[in-house]
Order: sequence, then C-alpha cells, then structure tokens
Amino acid sequence: GQNIDQPTEMTATEGAIVQINCTYQTSGFNGLFWYQQHAGEAPTFLSYNVLDGLEEKGRFSSFLSRSKGYSYLLLKELQMKDSASYLCAVRSLTGGGNKLTFGTGTQLKVEL
Amino acid sequence: NAGVMQNPRHLVRRRGQEARLRCSPMKGHSHVYWYRQLPEEGLKFMVYLQKENIIDESGMPKERFSAEFPKEGPSILRIQQVVRGDSAAYFCASSPPGDSLYGYTFGSGTRLTVV
Repeated sequence: GQNIDQPTEMTATEGAIVQINCTYQTSGFNGLFWYQQHAGEAPTFLSYNVLDGLEEKGRFSSFLSRSKGYSYLLLKELQMKDSASYLCAVRSLTGGGNKLTFGTGTQLKVEL
Repeated sequence: NAGVMQNPRHLVRRRGQEARLRCSPMKGHSHVYWYRQLPEEGLKFMVYLQKENIIDESGMPKERFSAEFPKEGPSILRIQQVVRGDSAAYFCASSPPGDSLYGYTFGSGTRLTVV
C-alpha cells in the first residue's frame, strides 16, 4: 500500500517563506506532485518531481529525495491569496500506472 | 479548449434515491479518475477508467457505487440508494495516455448532499 504524511495545518506571515513537508512510502514510485486547492474549488497543479533535487517555478519550488521518501514545497514571498490547502500526491507504477494517491493536505493560513 | 467538465455542480438527493454524476474529460484525455473528498479531508481515490474499461476500482465501496466510461459520452459515477454518509464533494480528473508531467486536470467537482 501507500502512505503519505503531511502536516495538517501551518500558519505564516505575508512576505515570509514557508516550507511544507511530505513523507511517503510507496512501491513503484513514478513521480510526486503538489497541488493547491482553495476552499470549494478544484485542485490545481503546482509542481512535479520524479528525479532527486529541486524544481523551481517562480515563487514556488519543490524538492524530492527518493531515497528518503521525502519532498517539500517551498513558497516564497507569501501573499494572502496563497492561503489554501496544499496536497502532496504520489504516482505509482502499480494499479494501472497512472493513479495518484493524495495526502490529507496541509491547510496554510497566511496572516498579515 | 474546455477543461474537465462536471455536472451537476450541486446535487441534493433524499435518502434512498439515486445520484448520477457526470464527467467529460479534457479533449485528448482518455483516462478518467474519480475521487471523493469529505470536508477538511484529502482526496480519496475511488476508480480509474479508460474508454469502456475499468482499470482500478480498488477505492470503490463494494455496494451501491458503480462507474462507467462508455465509448461515447461522459463518464458516469452512479450511487444507488444514497445515505447521509455519501454526502461529499466528488471530483473527476483526466489525463492523457502515458506519464503526464502535469498529473491530472481536475473538474470543479459535484457537491452531493443527502437529506
């Protein structure tokens, strides 16, 4: 089976940097994704890692260590609109090869 | 270029009725996935389908729930004899064949309320 852990909630200040961690256990690892979900809306794609290292995309970066089963999402220059749930998801080669298993999400609150 | 279309957006059913949720994938996407989300919880996988095939239904409850993705038309998630515990947001997602660098594209969801 698969197990994905991430903190339930975090609070940060506008303009600051926040790091959201995700640990996972899976067989047949085939990529890790981060999604953002605002309340009452659909999840939207943020980043994808399949090899070890850091992927940077504007204010958002994501890191992966496959040997440690660990990823983080780094958000810089936080804005109020970044208040949302951040979902870590792992793709596995099992079960048809395209299935994403999601963590329970980290609710980020950005304060003034 | 329409995204993933789900309807209805909101659905209210009385206990014991049937609920039918529809999902049209993005153009060019042949894989469809259904997820359920309870308030303040993560997305729980239900079923993964390709045209006329169920690839993985390991997350589907054994009774009352079924899904299809016919050759023509949208994918349908069907819940028979709904109970209050079925109240949730149901999200459909789609992806192209092969390993997509973007994972899935999600629809806006159907919020089912059972009264």
